[in-house]
Amino acid sequence: DIQLTQSPSFLSASVGDRVTITCRASQGISSSLAWYQQKPGKAPKVLIYAASTLQGGVPSRFSGSESGTEFTLTISSLQPEDFATYYCQQLNNYPLTFGGGTKVEIK
Amino acid sequence: EVELLESGGGLVQPGGSLRLSCAPSGFTFSSYAMNWVRQAPGKGLEWVSGISDSGDRTYYADSVRGRFTISRDNSKNTVFLQMSSLRAEDTALYYCARRPGSYYFDSWGQGTLVTVSS
Repeated sequence: DIQLTQSPSFLSASVGDRVTITCRASQGISSSLAWYQQKPGKAPKVLIYAASTLQGGVPSRFSGSESGTEFTLTISSLQPEDFATYYCQQLNNYPLTFGGGTKVEIK
Repeated sequence: EVELLESGGGLVQPGGSLRLSCAPSGFTFSSYAMNWVRQAPGKGLEWVSGISDSGDRTYYADSVRGRFTISRDNSKNTVFLQMSSLRAEDTALYYCARRPGSYYFDSWGQGTLVTVSS
């Protein structure tokens, strides 16, 4: 099974900060990685898929990149509505797997 | 508008069984693979199971293989998750999610809560 190691697990930041979350896969996954945002009491919402493709309707301050088996979600300027938990997911091999999550809180 | 409505959750004793249903609307159900994802209270997301658009291929997490069975009825626009030999660690909110193509889950339901406890 492919393991996804997400870091950090917790992040405290201010509005306007640039935020970076990393997801490392235990083996190659051919860019088959998605990022989700989840707010309390709500279902997850996809932000990025295929490692770097922005889902329609998602603000352009969100971006994704990859380097080998390391994937990055960047929020260029954190907004109040961005405080949430973020998850990566690999869809290259079954069983599909999620990272452990990164909770972004207000400093 | 795409909607996914889960049902069937509830309180069940360890060793018991439960069948979850997901009734999508707003799209051509038979054209999409469907999945179940769960989230234990205060924990992260865990993919549970998936089924192809035609229903001929099914996939499971190691933690549920042999105990859970996913199926679908394209004539009734419903996907099911039959859960048996339930354990306390199966307690979670179970989401139904649509997978367009290979790259992500684009639509999710609001979940149905399964509690396994004596």
